[in-house]
Amino acid sequence: AQSVTQPDIHITVSEGASLELRCNYSYGATPYLFWYVQSPGQGLQLLLKYFSGDTLVQGIKGFEAEFKRSQSSFNLRKPSVHWSDAAEYFCAVGGSGYSTLTFGKGTMLLVSP
Amino acid sequence: DTAVSQTPKYLVTQMGNDKSIKCEQNLGHDTMYWYKQDSKKFLKIMFSYNNKELIINETVPNRFSPKSPDKAHLNLHINSLELGDSAVYFCASSQVEGAPGYTFGSGTRLTVV
Repeated sequence: AQSVTQPDIHITVSEGASLELRCNYSYGATPYLFWYVQSPGQGLQLLLKYFSGDTLVQGIKGFEAEFKRSQSSFNLRKPSVHWSDAAEYFCAVGGSGYSTLTFGKGTMLLVSP
Repeated sequence: DTAVSQTPKYLVTQMGNDKSIKCEQNLGHDTMYWYKQDSKKFLKIMFSYNNKELIINETVPNRFSPKSPDKAHLNLHINSLELGDSAVYFCASSQVEGAPGYTFGSGTRLTVV
């Protein structure tokens, strides 16, 4: 069965500092990996996705993520966090065909002044 | 134009009532989903439909009945609402062929009182 682990329930980062959110996955075949962001009371916005090819993927809002097959990880990074980045971040894994997305439990990002 | 639209955005109702949530996508995707986000923000798949046919039903009570009149619509009907049904329900769509690209609606916040 597929699963996603986000080990950090919440993280606090100072504005302007770098950010890394961790994500580990378990999937029996070639995984498709996603990061979504959810602001309070809002829906899910796709930040970036990995299907194949270059293991470093660029997303919106200055985010990037690196796929490491050997570590079953897909960590999200941003070099300089802005106060508007405060939100809940979800990592998800899926596959091709009729596969559905399996989400991690999310990491709440708090940004301090 | 909104790619995946859900109505209503908010729904407050009493226990025992029957209610429906509607979802429509204009992306031409052939697969649609319902996800439930509980009070702890955990997102879990409920149903998936491909071209109007039920593909996945993840141990959801019979009180929940999805209906897909065509591949652009997937509605969720809930009978005899219970307090525990209070959650945010997200509709999503994707294309089965090729790499999946899930697009989510903005969610429906259901509160059962």
